[in-house]
Amino acid sequence: DVKVTQSSRYLVKRTGEKVFLECVQDMDHENMFWYRQDPGLGLRLIYFSYDVKMKEKGDIPEGYSVSREKKERFSLILESASTNQTSMYLCASRSVNTEAFFGQGTRLTVV
Amino acid sequence: AQSVSQHNHHVILSEAASLELGCNYSYGGTVNLFWYVQYPGQHLQLLLKYFSGDPLVKGIKGFEAEFIKSKFSFNLRKPSVQWSDTAEYFCAVRGDTGFQKLVFGTGTRLLVSP
Repeated sequence: DVKVTQSSRYLVKRTGEKVFLECVQDMDHENMFWYRQDPGLGLRLIYFSYDVKMKEKGDIPEGYSVSREKKERFSLILESASTNQTSMYLCASRSVNTEAFFGQGTRLTVV
Repeated sequence: AQSVSQHNHHVILSEAASLELGCNYSYGGTVNLFWYVQYPGQHLQLLLKYFSGDPLVKGIKGFEAEFIKSKFSFNLRKPSVQWSDTAEYFCAVRGDTGFQKLVFGTGTRLLVSP
């Protein structure tokens, strides 16, 4: 079965902290994505990666960075967490001609 | 760049009622289209997808969607909803040339009352 695993379901961090969200997929997919999901706004793309060490900005990259050192792992980094980054974060992966497969999500609260 | 519009933000139906959720997209080329569902507390799951061929696509749990190219639409339908269909539904579009982002609509919350 396809599996995208996000390291935490719930996180609470303080304003100004550096936050790492980890995502691992076991399907050998080339492409990986980070979205945030907010009520009434749907899913908005933060960053994506089409290969190891490759990354592209999505629609809302400000305040975030990413790392993809290995094919199976894609990390989202909040350099200095702020309260407006409180959200549900979703990781996804896909191969060239497949749909995207999603992880369970990480609900991040910044206080 | 592609964009997706879902017209209904909240829909409330009684069991056995018919469902149609609207989805329109904006993109100048050939597209792949998707409907995802998110049940309460669960991750996003694929309901159905359209890549090419028959524009009437059947998915899981009795859902179907019709791609109408002239209207840039991909509406989701189910003839008779059940209480267990209560969820949030997302339409998504991706251009099919090169590397293309998967862009989502804002979602429709469906509540089915027993």
